[in-house]
Amino acid sequence: DVKVTQSSRYLVKRTGEKVFLECVQDMDHENMFWYRQDPGLGLRLIYFSYDVKMKEKGDIPEGYSVSREKKERFSLILESASTNQTSMYLCASSLFGSRPDHSGANVLTFGAGSRLTVL
Amino acid sequence: DQQVKQNSPSLSVQEGRISILNCDYTNSMFDYFLWYKKYPAEGPTFLISISSIKDKNEDGRFTVFLNKSAKHLSLHIVPSQPGDSAVYFCAASDAGNMLTFGGGTRLMVKP
Repeated sequence: DVKVTQSSRYLVKRTGEKVFLECVQDMDHENMFWYRQDPGLGLRLIYFSYDVKMKEKGDIPEGYSVSREKKERFSLILESASTNQTSMYLCASSLFGSRPDHSGANVLTFGAGSRLTVL
Repeated sequence: DQQVKQNSPSLSVQEGRISILNCDYTNSMFDYFLWYKKYPAEGPTFLISISSIKDKNEDGRFTVFLNKSAKHLSLHIVPSQPGDSAVYFCAASDAGNMLTFGGGTRLMVKP
């Protein structure tokens, strides 16, 4: 079964700490994404990557950075965690330009999520 | 401003009845729409999609309807089952293939 694995399911950190969230996919997907999910706001895109060492800002990149040194691994970094970064973080991957039945948009495969609490 | 909106944060339906989840969008460049389903403590999973060249797509108990003139789509679940209780996210993409998600609707199907 194909998987996107997020190494930490629950984390509790203190304000100002550096936080690493790791994500690994075993599907040889080109695209990888980091979203955060907040009640009423849905899923908001933080960063994405189309290839190794490549990154693009999403809708809410402030306070975050990412790293993609290998195709299967995409890391989200909070350089100095703040309380407003308390959230559920979801990693996802997809084939480039994939759709379920014809060419075009991405169908994302998500990990189970990492719930981060910043005190 | 949210380009994809799900105006009902929650919906409660009796088992066996129809569930209708609604989604509105503002960006006329969106040409592909998807629904994802999310159980607690799990990541969202793809449920069903529709291209803008169609107005209906069916997959078993799930049907998605698209009204392009109204910029509105809906997901129908018939008959609803308790296992359908989850949060449903509507998503849309344009030619750039990036997905924009709605805020989600929590569906509760009562036995």
